[in-house]
Amino acid sequence: DGGITQSPKYLFRKEGQNVTLSCEQNLNHDAMYWYRQDPGQGLRLIYYSQIVNDFQKGDIAEGYSVSREKKESFPLTVTSAQKNPTAFYLCASSKVPGNQPQHFGDGTRLSIL
Amino acid sequence: AQSVAQPEDQVNVAEGNPLTVKCTYSVSGNPYLFWYVQYPNRGLQFLLKYITGDNLVKGSYGFEAEFNKSQTSFHLKKPSALVSDSALYFCAVRANYGGATNKLIFGTGTLLAVQP
Repeated sequence: DGGITQSPKYLFRKEGQNVTLSCEQNLNHDAMYWYRQDPGQGLRLIYYSQIVNDFQKGDIAEGYSVSREKKESFPLTVTSAQKNPTAFYLCASSKVPGNQPQHFGDGTRLSIL
Repeated sequence: AQSVAQPEDQVNVAEGNPLTVKCTYSVSGNPYLFWYVQYPNRGLQFLLKYITGDNLVKGSYGFEAEFNKSQTSFHLKKPSALVSDSALYFCAVRANYGGATNKLIFGTGTLLAVQP
């Protein structure tokens, strides 16, 4: 079955450390997204990419970085500049154009050691 | 500014009773609207969408939603709630920044609790 795989499911970050969250999809979708979910705040867009080798900042990109070297993969790096990284991170993908729903992975929960 | 509001943090309903989860939106142009459901420690699952056409949209698991343009609302409904429907529900609208973007704006979510 096609879908989106996020790994790891749980991740712990030490002070001053960068960590990378993996997101892989086999749905042949052009667009991919990263969201951060905090209790009571819904989902906030970090970065998105509509095509390989191109990506755009979302609403809360500071302290994060991404790459899109392959259609199937959209890894997110949480850098040491992100001072409050504890959250549930969700990756999604979709076909383009804009009337298509986004499909989500099962998330990575990041905590500070 | 484009936005989505879910005015209720939590909705409680008895099993077998009808349920409604409310959503209102503000967006320029014609809205593309979506409902998602999230179970604990899982990603979001797509339930249904409104793009154009009939104002009553049917989706997965017996859910439906009613689009009301004059009230800028897109409420989620189900005629008979199940305990297994208990979850967090998100309404979303496609951001209208031009082009073919699929960027979505999400509401803050409504926790649905169905009592046996």
